[in-house]
Amino acid sequence: AQTVTQSQPEMSVQEAETVTLSCTYDTSESDYYLFWYKQPPSRQMILVIRQEAYKQQNATENRFSVNFQKAAKSFSLKISDSQLGDAAMYFCAYRSAWGFGNVLHCGSGTQVIVLP
Amino acid sequence: NAGVTQTPKFQVLKTGQSMTLQCAQDMNHEYMSWYRQDPGMGLRLIHYSVGAGITDQGEVPNGYNVSRSTTEDFPLRLLSAAPSQTSVYFCASQRDTSTDYEQYFGPGTRLTVT
Repeated sequence: AQTVTQSQPEMSVQEAETVTLSCTYDTSESDYYLFWYKQPPSRQMILVIRQEAYKQQNATENRFSVNFQKAAKSFSLKISDSQLGDAAMYFCAYRSAWGFGNVLHCGSGTQVIVLP
Repeated sequence: NAGVTQTPKFQVLKTGQSMTLQCAQDMNHEYMSWYRQDPGMGLRLIHYSVGAGITDQGEVPNGYNVSRSTTEDFPLRLLSAAPSQTSVYFCASQRDTSTDYEQYFGPGTRLTVT
């Protein structure tokens, strides 16, 4: 079974600084997708960034970038130039590329606090 | 497009009561699912559907029923509410598994069972 682990319950970052969130996962599959979701106090789950396992290049979306290490099964998220609006819970998620279900396996989340 | 909508936003039930959480999407997505989110935990899959008339169990299906009579709607029924079902419930949809791998989430329903 796939498991996703986020070992940092909470991270603080000064506005305009950079913060990196850690995520590791366990799988025996070779083809899968990885995601980072943001959940602000409104509870809406918002997709921040996604990575296909077959791609070696790390995904980037504006101030958000990932460091995908397939062999180490690591998928960290870097938030650069942090803004107050980045404050939220961030979930790392795994999804298999095969079969029915498209189950999204999520970690327990990391609360990001942005200090002005 | 409204995307994925869920009603109600908040609900309080007494133990033993039943109710239905509504979920609808207007994107003609084949795949829909229900998750619950508990404090300190990520999402856990309750049930999912890969198309109208097809449903299957996820990780934590006990105490819940689903049906999918149309592509648009995927209601979640609590048969006899228990305090352990106090949670935030998210509905999600996805176009299909082969070409669009992003899941779109509804805004969630916060359920409290007393």
